[in-house]
Amino acid sequence: LAKTTQPISMDSYEGQEVNITCSHNNIATNDYITWYQQFPSQGPRFIIQGYKTKVTNEVASLFIPADRKSSTLSLPRVSLSDTAVYYCLVGDLDDKIIFGKGTRLHILP
Amino acid sequence: NAGVTQTPKFQVLKTGQSMTLQCAQDMNHEYMSWYRQDPGMGLRLIHYSVGAGITDQGEVPNGYNVSRSTTEDFPLRLLSAAPSQTSVYFCASSKQTEPRTEAFFGQGTRLTVV
Repeated sequence: LAKTTQPISMDSYEGQEVNITCSHNNIATNDYITWYQQFPSQGPRFIIQGYKTKVTNEVASLFIPADRKSSTLSLPRVSLSDTAVYYCLVGDLDDKIIFGKGTRLHILP
Repeated sequence: NAGVTQTPKFQVLKTGQSMTLQCAQDMNHEYMSWYRQDPGMGLRLIHYSVGAGITDQGEVPNGYNVSRSTTEDFPLRLLSAAPSQTSVYFCASSKQTEPRTEAFFGQGTRLTVV
């Protein structure tokens, strides 16, 4: 299992773009990178998944450099409701789905 | 389409009691798993299953048992509850296909052991 490292916490302001970077130096060839969001008292919710380059959906963008040793989750124009914990996971079908401690994102008015 | 349903939502147990946390999904997902989340912490994997009849241990399996007799259900049994098992428990399911796409989580069971 590739271990991931992400900042423990981040603060930002409403309307700003937020970038959360995850380091996964030991990522394997078959591994995908997946990000989840968790609000208080709720289960995690899938945000986005990618293998290489850039992936974009209605919620976020995921940037993955060519060496795939890191990835960046980008949240455009955040609002107060984006305050949550964000988890970066790396793995494939043969892996257990392991969560780290995540990044606590606090959006300020 | 209910997704992942966990019951009960809240439970208080006395030390030494046993109980089963129920988890059911209606998406025909092969992969199911149980996590616990303690205050201010991330999720820790307890047990998981890649299909009916197949289970395996996660990061923190001690004190918990699981079975998977059907695709839909994945109950978690606490054999003899201890205060250290006070936590919020989440069940999740996902497809076992390439790539493994999003995992769907239940709303959680908040368990207190006194």
